Amino acid sequence: DTTVKQNPRYKLARVGKPVNLICSQTMNHDTMYWYQKKPNQAPKLLLFYYDKILNREADTFEKFQSSRPNNSFCSLYIGSAGLEYSAMYLCASSRVGGALAETLYFGSGTRLTVL
Amino acid sequence: QQQVRQSPQSLTVWEGETAILNCSYENSAFDYFPWYQQFPGEGPALLISILSVSDKKEDGRFTIFFNKREKKLSLHIADSQPGDSATYFCAASPGNYKPTFGKGTSLVVHP
Repeated sequence: DTTVKQNPRYKLARVGKPVNLICSQTMNHDTMYWYQKKPNQAPKLLLFYYDKILNREADTFEKFQSSRPNNSFCSLYIGSAGLEYSAMYLCASSRVGGALAETLYFGSGTRLTVL
Repeated sequence: QQQVRQSPQSLTVWEGETAILNCSYENSAFDYFPWYQQFPGEGPALLISILSVSDKKEDGRFTIFFNKREKKLSLHIADSQPGDSATYFCAASPGNYKPTFGKGTSLVVHP
């Protein structure tokens, strides 16, 4: 089973309110990523977990939080949503650590709309 | 600053033609280049990839041509089929994690 699952598929949020997105994988992958995708833009890496270590990109450091309570589960948390957070959020996982480059397995995404 | 650039933004070909999707990058440390295919309503899925030590990689109708000196690569889809209609993302990474993606090329194959 090479499935990465994201919930919910669509989410509506109010400006200033918190948002929590959920991702899970059953492939025992050690790395999980969160990407933000806006129309006509490249998927932008927000952060990733390698095992229990969280790595956040410099330009999104203060905007997004994440937790990974176990190997299979990872969440993305926005403390106070702004209109600019409206986007597709893609979760992906991979097995990192070997000599060969590894495939990223993506979920279908959560489309967040902030009003 | 966009480290991975793709062109064209959109491409339309007829069934049976060869579609050519282009990609370029800036970071000399990038050595792994996967192409991901995304259908509407789904997440991107790995289609084919190449390491910088190679200049060509084939997988059925899909071929990557890689030019390390010019920091360019291209994906050729031979005998294009309507089922190939999708968005194709070129990505690049130093080693085997944290890939940087391009904006994608939207391909439409007309029957």
